[in-house]
Amino acid sequence: DQQVKQNSPSLSVQEGRISILNCDYTNSMFDYFLWYKKYPAEGPTFLISISSIKDKNEDGRFTVFLNKSAKHLSLHIVPSQPGDSAVYFCAASGGNNNDMRFGAGTRLTVKP
Amino acid sequence: DAGVTQSPTHLIKTRGQQVTLRCSPKSGHDTVSWYQQALGQGPQFIFQYYEEEERQRGNFPDRFSGHQYPNYSSELNVNALLLGDSALYLCASSPGGFSGANVLTFGAGSRLTVL
Repeated sequence: DQQVKQNSPSLSVQEGRISILNCDYTNSMFDYFLWYKKYPAEGPTFLISISSIKDKNEDGRFTVFLNKSAKHLSLHIVPSQPGDSAVYFCAASGGNNNDMRFGAGTRLTVKP
Repeated sequence: DAGVTQSPTHLIKTRGQQVTLRCSPKSGHDTVSWYQQALGQGPQFIFQYYEEEERQRGNFPDRFSGHQYPNYSSELNVNALLLGDSALYLCASSPGGFSGANVLTFGAGSRLTVL
């Protein structure tokens, strides 16, 4: 029962360009969405979140967009930096469950 | 300020054995969640502890059990290990009880290999 899907296992972009990571979900009861970043040998770290009452949230170089009708969210990183190279997980929670459901992750590589 | 600490970092067990993983939450956090991350997958929710009780559980068999102590630290126990239990086990803490809106702070994980 994979309720959160990240269909792109990897993404490679040039330094300075935009990185767009996508995430789809199936549970319409989800009302809170988060992105986590994970470096090797470290636990995931919180990056940015958005609640279902919004369609955009911005924090510096990172912006998350939510399209509830399409059950789709995306993370934009502008400009991308080599230090952004990591695995990015999309997560969602809400409805009857307070646990967080994660996607399989997208490995972002930013080339200098 | 120490974040979430987990021990051990790596361990190897054989099928049928039992394992205990430990977690100390971030200072100020009282809720602990455990996740299993298999290779190439995202973290899968195992269960969540708050006020020393299991408050929510994911789709994991009873071989997976846990405990939370009065100081909020937590243990994850897995009995009768199977090869498929090989994974990275992540502990995450959050403040103020169980809420889907709480940001989780993760530890670096305990990597379990079952031979």
